[in-house]
Amino acid sequence: GAVVSQHPSWVICKSGTSVKIECRSLDFQATTMFWYRQFPKQSLMLMATSNEGSKATYEQGVEKDKFLINHASLTLSTLTVTSAHPEDSSFYICSASPSGLTSPEQYFGPGTRLTVT
Amino acid sequence: DQQVKQNSPSLSVQEGRISILNCDYTNSMFDYFLWYKKYPAEGPTFLISISSIKDKNEDGRFTVFLNKSAKHLSLHIVPSQPGDSAVYFCAASGNSWGKLQFGAGTQVVVTP
Repeated sequence: GAVVSQHPSWVICKSGTSVKIECRSLDFQATTMFWYRQFPKQSLMLMATSNEGSKATYEQGVEKDKFLINHASLTLSTLTVTSAHPEDSSFYICSASPSGLTSPEQYFGPGTRLTVT
Repeated sequence: DQQVKQNSPSLSVQEGRISILNCDYTNSMFDYFLWYKKYPAEGPTFLISISSIKDKNEDGRFTVFLNKSAKHLSLHIVPSQPGDSAVYFCAASGNSWGKLQFGAGTQVVVTP
């Protein structure tokens, strides 16, 4: 149980274009999903917290107009990187916290490798 | 400001022996701690957690110890197996429910 999927697993795009990454909880409902990015040999950096049916909460320093997050259902959140630039190249990982869970475990997706050329 | 610290970037251990991974934190509001295992180009996998009301939690080969006064926790893996070779992240949660602060990770290599 507690499986989270991400699509695509990797994507290459040209500078200036937008890319959408999907995060799905496959066998549970998730009121809250989280988006992280990870640079090589570094820790996971929380970008934003996504709550179903409401606006995402962004961490300090993360541009909300650049990283658009939509959490339209209890099993799907999307991250759209708008007007991507080479510095946006990174490994993006989502996680989901099952609704009603009494502890803060998060279950992570397999990640999406974004390369902007 | 790194509130969760893993000061050992790497650890090498022989198969069958014990692996001990350490994690320190600075925020006394943290009340729940988790360990995740991560392979390259994959998402982290939840391993084990511990609430601040406990000082030990055990699950199979994995045991987590918490020393609140020292703001220190450790993960023991025994016996270590080659499949345990991965990066291990310590994470902590506090009053912002669900938000996790991650350490920098420790690369574990288990040698035959």
